[in-house]
Order: sequence, then C-alpha cells, then structure tokens
Amino acid sequence: DAGVTQSPTHLIKTRGQQVTLRCSPKSGHDTVSWYQQALGQGPQFIFQYYEEEERQRGNFPDRFSGHQFPNYSSELNVNALWLGDSALYLCASSYRGQETQYFGPGTRLLVL
Amino acid sequence: EDQVTQSPEALRLQEGESSSLNCSYTVSGLRGLFWYRQDPGKGPEFLFTLYSAGEEKEKERLKATLTKKESFLHITAPKPEDSATYLCAVQAYGGATNKLIFGTGTLLAVQP
Repeated sequence: DAGVTQSPTHLIKTRGQQVTLRCSPKSGHDTVSWYQQALGQGPQFIFQYYEEEERQRGNFPDRFSGHQFPNYSSELNVNALWLGDSALYLCASSYRGQETQYFGPGTRLLVL
Repeated sequence: EDQVTQSPEALRLQEGESSSLNCSYTVSGLRGLFWYRQDPGKGPEFLFTLYSAGEEKEKERLKATLTKKESFLHITAPKPEDSATYLCAVQAYGGATNKLIFGTGTLLAVQP
C-alpha cells in the first residue's frame, strides 16, 4: 500500500523565483492538505484541496497557490520567493471527512 | 482562538526511565486530538487519535490519554529508538476542513 509521496525531496531557489512542489496521496484518499514547517516549529496549515477545489486557506498570502488533479494528486506553487519561505513543505492526505491525515516525507526548500 | 501548547520543549531520558509529555489545548469544539512522531528531516508519522475525555490508546511503549483540557503521551521504559520529536495537533468542529492545528513539539532524546 503506497503511502503519501512528494517530489522533489530537496530544492534550492533564489529570491524572486517560483517553485512547484508535487504530492500524490495515499491510495484510496481523495483530500490533500499542505503544511509549512519552519525549523523548530510545528506544521502550519496552508490550504486543503478536495474535488479539485480549494476548501479552506490558512494565513498565507496569495503567492501560495495550488491545484488538485482528477487523480487526486496535487501541486503547491509559490511565486516571488523570499528568504522566509525556506521550510519543510508537507503534504497530508485523508479520505473525505475522516479526521486522520497521513503525511508524506516533505520537500525541503531553501531560498537564498 | 484554537491553540495547542506542548511541554516540555525538550526532554532527555535514560533508557528505561519512564516519563510523560504534555499537550494542553484550547479549542472551540474538539473533533479530535492527534499525536505524531517526527524524525529529523522527515514527515510526521501518525501515532494516535483521541476523540473524547477519558479515552486512552496504547501502542508498544506509548500510551496516550485525553482530558477536557489536555492530553498526555506516556512513554514506558523508553529505548534509544524512541528518540524523536513528538507533535500534538487538534481538529476543531465548525470549519470547512479537517485542518490540523499543531503545537511546537517535544524533542525527546533517550540515551543508552
């Protein structure tokens, strides 16, 4: 049973650039949530996708956007990167209203 | 505002020395409380879900309990492989999604 997968594992960008991160949910799951985890902090909710629509957004600017595809996989896009965007980006999947979310290994983004 | 506070921030134990981690929460209506384990540079690994006060769950050397204001993660006779950051998160009723609100975690180090 494949778990949540994310790509790439690591990424280095410079300020002002744009980045796209990818996530495939656990088999049987249809809901994808994205979180940002700064060093030494707990994950912070960015947004959630269900049925290819953004259902809720956390306290993140419009530079952060996403997409969900018909096969339930998802992308997170960040425009106009700045140093403070350096973090571990986590994808979590769940099934509809079921509460438990399962996380992927994350993508480590470093902005120079 | 929904909030999660974990203590202590860091804990060092000798192998076999039992202890407890605390998670205090403030939430408008608790839908679920979650414990995750996170190894350095990796995604959180799901451990337990608790739904109502008085509920307990166990897995190997770990036992999670829940009251109306806090949760405890008890670690009995820990081993070095239990070393990790333990994250607590809550879900609240009333939102459009099942987003998780995390604490900052407790970094556990178990020395042989």
